[in-house]
Amino acid sequence: KAGVTQTPRYLIKTRGQQVTLSCSPISGHRSVSWYQQTPGQGLQFLFEYFSETQRNKGNFPGRFSGRQFSNSRSEMNVSTLELGDSALYLCASSYPQETQYFGPGTRLLVL
Amino acid sequence: AQSVTQLDSQVPVFEEAPVELRCNYSSSVSVYLFWYVQYPNQGLQLLLKYLSGSTLVKGINGFEAEFNKSQTSFHLRKPSVHISDTAEYFCAVSDNGNKLVFGAGTILRVKS
Repeated sequence: KAGVTQTPRYLIKTRGQQVTLSCSPISGHRSVSWYQQTPGQGLQFLFEYFSETQRNKGNFPGRFSGRQFSNSRSEMNVSTLELGDSALYLCASSYPQETQYFGPGTRLLVL
Repeated sequence: AQSVTQLDSQVPVFEEAPVELRCNYSSSVSVYLFWYVQYPNQGLQLLLKYLSGSTLVKGINGFEAEFNKSQTSFHLRKPSVHISDTAEYFCAVSDNGNKLVFGAGTILRVKS
């Protein structure tokens, strides 16, 4: 079974721009969660989607948003990028809960 | 609110020596517990998990962990480490598996 895939793997943006990251879960998995990893704050939960509905949300500003499609693929969007948004963004999938399997991440650099 | 404390930020150890990475958690409800490993420039790989049942959990690559409810701990152990075990290890807790709360991570450095 193919694992969780994330695209793109690397991204460079400038302050004020917006970015969209994509995540394809393991086949059959219906829950997708997003995490931000930074050296200062560590791994932090952003949000979780299940059956196209946001089921859980972390403590991030409204600039961070996401959605899930009917095929369980998910996207997250960050608008008005700030330097502090530079991070590794990890996506994880599960069926439908208990154990999350992570993708390789998208490394975002904001200049 | 749940929280996880990984007591050591770095653990140096010689190859073939045993190692223990410590993890304590705080939660007011029943929890699921996980250990993940992250190699440089990669995502997180699941090492092992405790959902219920036996408190001694065996995982991949020879790792095991013991759930201790009274001490709210979930320490990770390996009897003999290899150079290839050099990585960062994360302990995580969840009350339902959907929202993981991670510790700060422990870097395991295996020396020859």
